[in-house]
Amino acid sequence: DQQVKQNSPSLSVQEGRISILNCDYTNSMFDYFLWYKKYPAEGPTFLISISSIKDKNEDGRFTVFLNKSAKHLSLHIVPSQPGDSAVYFCAAFSGTYKYIFGTGTRLKVLA
Amino acid sequence: DSGVTQTPKHLITATGQRVTLRCSPRSGDLSVYWYQQSLDQGLQFLIQYYNGEERAKGNILERFSAQQFPDLHSELNLSSLELGDSALYFCASSTGLAGVASTDTQYFGPGTRLTVL
Repeated sequence: DQQVKQNSPSLSVQEGRISILNCDYTNSMFDYFLWYKKYPAEGPTFLISISSIKDKNEDGRFTVFLNKSAKHLSLHIVPSQPGDSAVYFCAAFSGTYKYIFGTGTRLKVLA
Repeated sequence: DSGVTQTPKHLITATGQRVTLRCSPRSGDLSVYWYQQSLDQGLQFLIQYYNGEERAKGNILERFSAQQFPDLHSELNLSSLELGDSALYFCASSTGLAGVASTDTQYFGPGTRLTVL
């Protein structure tokens, strides 16, 4: 049972445009949601997180939106840059379920 | 460079064998986490240690065990290896207990790629 789902395995976006990565979850008990970026041959790197009591968190070019009623979160990258090309993992945390990661979305930003 | 080191980088072994993966956390970090990433899968949380004590357990098989030593480095032991254990194993560390907020982030090592033949 996949509790955190990233239904788009890949996404291509033109440089300078907005990248929107989506994530759905099934468990309403998660306390935090996180996004990680992963380059080949490296470990994931933390990008941004959001508490379940908030609906938006912004950090520079990265904004995460949380829609609790839809059990959906998204990561917006504006403007997208070629260096943003990587695999993005959505993750959820709760005291019971610990850390649940999605399967990742490969973002390609075209110059 | 995250500051988290993992050795070895690659490991090739045979079914039925036992291996040990090692992780050194960032200086000052008390929590160590282990994850498994199989082909085309997300990261599966295995286990967390905090200051030497087991803190949280995920989908860790009984054939797998881990420990955190007084110097805070950690080892993940995988025994009776099966073909399906072939994966990337990541270690992460954080300062505190949870590692979820921007004030307490998980930092990941580069991973150990285990191939079981």
